[in-house]
Amino acid sequence: DAKTTQPTSMDCAEGRAANLPCNHSTISGNEYVYWYRQIHSQGPQYIIHGLKNNETNEMASLIITEDRKSSTLILPHATLRDTAVYYCIVRVSHYGGSQGNLIFGKGTKLSVKP
Amino acid sequence: KAGVTQTPRYLIKTRGQQVTLSCSPISGHRSVSWYQQTPGQGLQFLFEYFSETQRNKGNFPGRFSGRQFSNSRSEMNVSTLELGDSALYLCASSLRGDQETQYFGPGTRLLVL
Repeated sequence: DAKTTQPTSMDCAEGRAANLPCNHSTISGNEYVYWYRQIHSQGPQYIIHGLKNNETNEMASLIITEDRKSSTLILPHATLRDTAVYYCIVRVSHYGGSQGNLIFGKGTKLSVKP
Repeated sequence: KAGVTQTPRYLIKTRGQQVTLSCSPISGHRSVSWYQQTPGQGLQFLFEYFSETQRNKGNFPGRFSGRQFSNSRSEMNVSTLELGDSALYLCASSLRGDQETQYFGPGTRLLVL
């Protein structure tokens, strides 16, 4: 089962920041938080990942709380093309068995509206 | 650098047939993972290959198999197709697997009639 909890859906106005929350209260100390998004019927697209510090790249920012039990993905200026399902994934840290793969939950369907 | 490519993009088969899907990873990537996505079950891990060896497997029946070639290209095969095998099959590659970021291809949409 996925180790994260996300809202089922969210709306955002075009040009505004989209803040997508994720709860991962059982995260272990050396597990990373990954974010992917999937635009309808396409392959998931990697966005960003982090361990404990906040991260930023050309697509988004990732804010991880100090206790690491939750995080927020921020799309600073959402466009219509950002409409997608966003997946927050906790990546287990030890390789072996079924632990190297990504475990996807249901994600958050973000709708960016004009 | 070219991304992950998958062929074919769309496929229609009938029950009982078999199918082979192909995945070419990003150049230099040696790990290839396969996932199945259906409306009911979401995205589920099938298996992972590294250096021509399967080193990780999800909870799917033996009808689902795969292999990896020396150039890291991978194929997956589904034998004796069932209606429930209709899905989007996704391939993802990473440098060595393990904790590294996986990059996904566009997927192959399989319809079983």
